[in-house]
Amino acid sequence: EIVMTQSPATLSVSPGERATLSCRASQSVSSNLAWYQQKPGQAPRLLIYGASTRATGIPARFSGSGSGTEFTLTISSLQSEDFAVYYCQQYNNWPPLTFGQGTRLEIK
Amino acid sequence: QITLKESGPTLVKPTQTLTLTCTFSGFSLSTSGVGVGWIRQPPGKALEWLALIYWDDDKRYSPSLKSRLTITKDTSKNQVVLTMTNMDPVDTATYYCAHTGKLWFDYWGQGTLVTVSS
Repeated sequence: EIVMTQSPATLSVSPGERATLSCRASQSVSSNLAWYQQKPGQAPRLLIYGASTRATGIPARFSGSGSGTEFTLTISSLQSEDFAVYYCQQYNNWPPLTFGQGTRLEIK
Repeated sequence: QITLKESGPTLVKPTQTLTLTCTFSGFSLSTSGVGVGWIRQPPGKALEWLALIYWDDDKRYSPSLKSRLTITKDTSKNQVVLTMTNMDPVDTATYYCAHTGKLWFDYWGQGTLVTVSS
C-alpha cells in the first residue's frame, strides 16, 4: 500500500499571501496524484488531477506540481474561501486508492 | 449536471450489516470508463477509500476491508449499493459516493453519517 504523507498538518497564512502544501508518497506514483479541498460539513471538491491539471471551474490561483514522490499544491493569493482542509490522493498503484491525512489551512 | 446522493440508516448496531445506496443522475454506469466509488471519513479524520465499481461490473475493494464489503450496481435505476458486514463502532463515519472516470473523484455526494452504537 502506498502511504501518502502531507505536511504540515496545519498551516497558518494571512489572506493575500501564498500557501504551499506538501504531499509525499512512500513510493513513486508518477504524476497520478489528485488534490481535494474540503470545507466543514461539505464533501471534498476536486481541485487538481494528474498532479498539475486544474479541474473544471477551479481558479487559476490553485496550482499543482511535482512527480514521483514529492508534490506541492500552491495557492498563490489566499482568499477567505480558501481556508479549508486539503487532501492529496494517489491513483497510481491500487487497490487501495490512498489519501493523505490532510493539511488544515487556517487564517493567520 | 452530475449529482449523487447517499441514503441508508443513520444508526446501526454492532455486528449488523450496513447497506448504503448511491442514487445518481447526469451520467450512466453503462458508459465505457465510468465508475462509482465509496469513500468514508470518520469524524475529524481523513478520507478512506472503500470500493469502486466500473461500467463493465469490474469491482475493486480496499484490501483491509475486502472481506466485509460488497459493491453492486443497478444500471436501470442509476444506483450503486455498498454493503458492509459486521459493523463496529470504529466504522462510525460519513460515507460518500463519488463519480470517477480515471481514478480521481470529480463529483461527490453530500455524504451520510452512519453511527455504530448499541
